[in-house]
Amino acid sequence: AQSVSQHNHHVILSEAASLELGCNYSYGGTVNLFWYVQYPGQHLQLLLKYFSGDPLVKGIKGFEAEFIKSKFSFNLRKPSVQWSDTAEYFCAVKDDYKLSFGAGTTVTVRA
Amino acid sequence: DGGITQSPKYLFRKEGQNVTLSCEQNLNHDAMYWYRQDPGQGLRLIYYSQIVNDFQKGDIAEGYSVSREKKESFPLTVTSAQKNPTAFYLCASSIGQGTGELFFGEGSRLTVL
Repeated sequence: AQSVSQHNHHVILSEAASLELGCNYSYGGTVNLFWYVQYPGQHLQLLLKYFSGDPLVKGIKGFEAEFIKSKFSFNLRKPSVQWSDTAEYFCAVKDDYKLSFGAGTTVTVRA
Repeated sequence: DGGITQSPKYLFRKEGQNVTLSCEQNLNHDAMYWYRQDPGQGLRLIYYSQIVNDFQKGDIAEGYSVSREKKESFPLTVTSAQKNPTAFYLCASSIGQGTGELFFGEGSRLTVL
C-alpha cells in the first residue's frame, strides 16, 4: 500500500500570503491523486483530483495542485489565502482499490 | 438533500462494551467505507464494501466488525477486542470503488471511559 507524506503538520499564514503544501507518495505506477479539505465543523470534502492529462489541476476556491511524476509529488498551492481557508488539508493517493491518506496539514490563516 | 448520515455524533461507553455506529447514505452509491481518524495519523481504513452482502478488511480491521445488508446502510461495531477504541470515525461512500472520490459523513466521536 502507498505511504503518503505531508511535509507540514501545521502552517500559520497571514491573509493574502501564498500557500504551498507538500505531498509525496511512496511508489509509482498508475495512481489517482487527491486533496481533501475539512473546514471547521464541516464534512471532509474533495478539493481537487488528478487522474491523467495536464499535471496542473485546478480545484475549488482558487486551489491548484501540480503532479510531478518523477518526484512522486502532488503539491497543493494557492496564490493568496483568505481567512476562510483555515482548515485541515489531506493528500490522498489511490492505487488498485485503496485510497491512502496522509496525516493532514492544519492551515491557520490569520486575518 | 443527498448525503451520508452518521449517528450518534458523540458517544461515551465503558471499557468492555461493544458499540455500533450507524452510517446511512441516500446517494445510491455502491461502495461504502469506514475510516478512523486520529490526530497526526490521518485517516486509516477499517473496512470497505463494494456491494451489498460483501465487505473486506482494511488496514486496521482488528477489533471491528461490519455488515452490509442494505445498499444504503453500513454499520460499524467497535468490539471490546479493539484495544484503543477512542477515536473519530468517518463513514464514506463512492459511486464505485474505482474513482477514489469519496463523500464523507460528519463523523462519530467515540470516547471509551
